[in-house]
Amino acid sequence: QVQLQESGPGLVKPSETLSLTCSVSGVSMISNYWTWIRQPPGKGLEWIGHIHYSGTTNYNPSLKSRVTMSVDTSNNHFSLNMNSVMAADTAVYYCARGSGWHYDWGQGTLVTVSS
Amino acid sequence: EIVLTQSPGTLSLSPGERATLSCRASQSVTTHSLAWYQQKPGQAPRVLIYGASSRATGIPDRFSGSGSGTDFTLTISRLEPEDFALYYCQWYGSSAPTFGGGTKVEIK
Repeated sequence: QVQLQESGPGLVKPSETLSLTCSVSGVSMISNYWTWIRQPPGKGLEWIGHIHYSGTTNYNPSLKSRVTMSVDTSNNHFSLNMNSVMAADTAVYYCARGSGWHYDWGQGTLVTVSS
Repeated sequence: EIVLTQSPGTLSLSPGERATLSCRASQSVTTHSLAWYQQKPGQAPRVLIYGASSRATGIPDRFSGSGSGTDFTLTISRLEPEDFALYYCQWYGSSAPTFGGGTKVEIK
């Protein structure tokens, strides 16, 4: 079955760059979009952006200046970089398959921004 | 940007009762690009409904979605113990998908 797994540092210092990877198995990355969504502790969901397997991206306008996504179909993973992080970026970060509604999600990884 | 407002914030009901959750869009939407998710503590969201009224694979038929324009509804016909959770609506009909703030369905 389709499995997605987020990985990356759980703690990032303010003003530094958050880097996460989502490993994909059970489905081809080709012809799919791949999405990042986050959820601050105790709060709702926020769409960060998505990337097509071809590399085309679409980002949340409120985060666009700080976000970069990339995809590596040869190694079945895609990545999120967010620079100049601040405490408000503390959240559980999810990766998901698709560009609209999402059936397949990773389990999520908590990233805390703190010195 | 479309803003989704979910109501009520919390719904207190007993098992076996009917739950009606509302999701209102800030402007009329001409396509049914509306999804509903269920989220339990410590878990990723699980899609229940897409296209405003289509049940996702494996979702029991006690869950149903309806609506158009600016008003959408998720109905759980008879609450089972496992249905007490958080529910989010999502609009994905534009280049910047958005989520509602959520409705918590709790045991009365």
